[in-house]
Amino acid sequence: EDQVTQSPEALRLQEGESSSLNCSYTVSGLRGLFWYRQDPGKGPEFLFTLYSAGEEKEKERLKATLTKKESFLHITAPKPEDSATYLCAVQSGGADGLTFGKGTHLIIQP
Amino acid sequence: NAGVTQTPKFQVLKTGQSMTLQCAQDMNHNSMYWYRQDPGMGLRLIYYSASEGTTDKGEVPNGYNVSRLNKREFSLRLESAAPSQTSVYFCASSEPGTGAGELFFGEGSRLTVL
Repeated sequence: EDQVTQSPEALRLQEGESSSLNCSYTVSGLRGLFWYRQDPGKGPEFLFTLYSAGEEKEKERLKATLTKKESFLHITAPKPEDSATYLCAVQSGGADGLTFGKGTHLIIQP
Repeated sequence: NAGVTQTPKFQVLKTGQSMTLQCAQDMNHNSMYWYRQDPGMGLRLIYYSASEGTTDKGEVPNGYNVSRLNKREFSLRLESAAPSQTSVYFCASSEPGTGAGELFFGEGSRLTVL
């Protein structure tokens, strides 16, 4: 059974204070690891796909990295508009659909 | 471009009542999904449809039925609602293959069962 664990559950940062969110996973044959952003009252919004260990993807102040057991979402010099819940998900070899973690609730204070 | 549209956005039911959640996408995607999101549980897959005419169970299918009406529409039915089905329901769509993990979600349907 695929498992995804995200930490921390919640994180409060000052504007400009860089940090990282962690996603640990256990899957049988990783087809892809995905990061989503979810704003309150909205559906998740796709951010990144990572396929293999060593791969990195960047978008504005966000950078996602992947190892064989975990992924990190690095946030550099965050702004208040980066406040959201960040979800990590995996897709394994024989599965349709994704297995999601519980998310990290990120708050950036001005 | 509307993307994924869900109706209704809010619904209150009494235990034992039935209802159908509607979902439509205008991106010509083959795959569609229904997830539920509960506090502390994350998103869990209820049912999915890899293509028109096919449906399969996900992680938590009990108490639900689905219909893939055509390529655009995928509905979720609760035949006899229970308080445990109080949740936020999300419909999503994607392309199969390498695009399968890039899900496009609707804004959710918030269901309360009393």
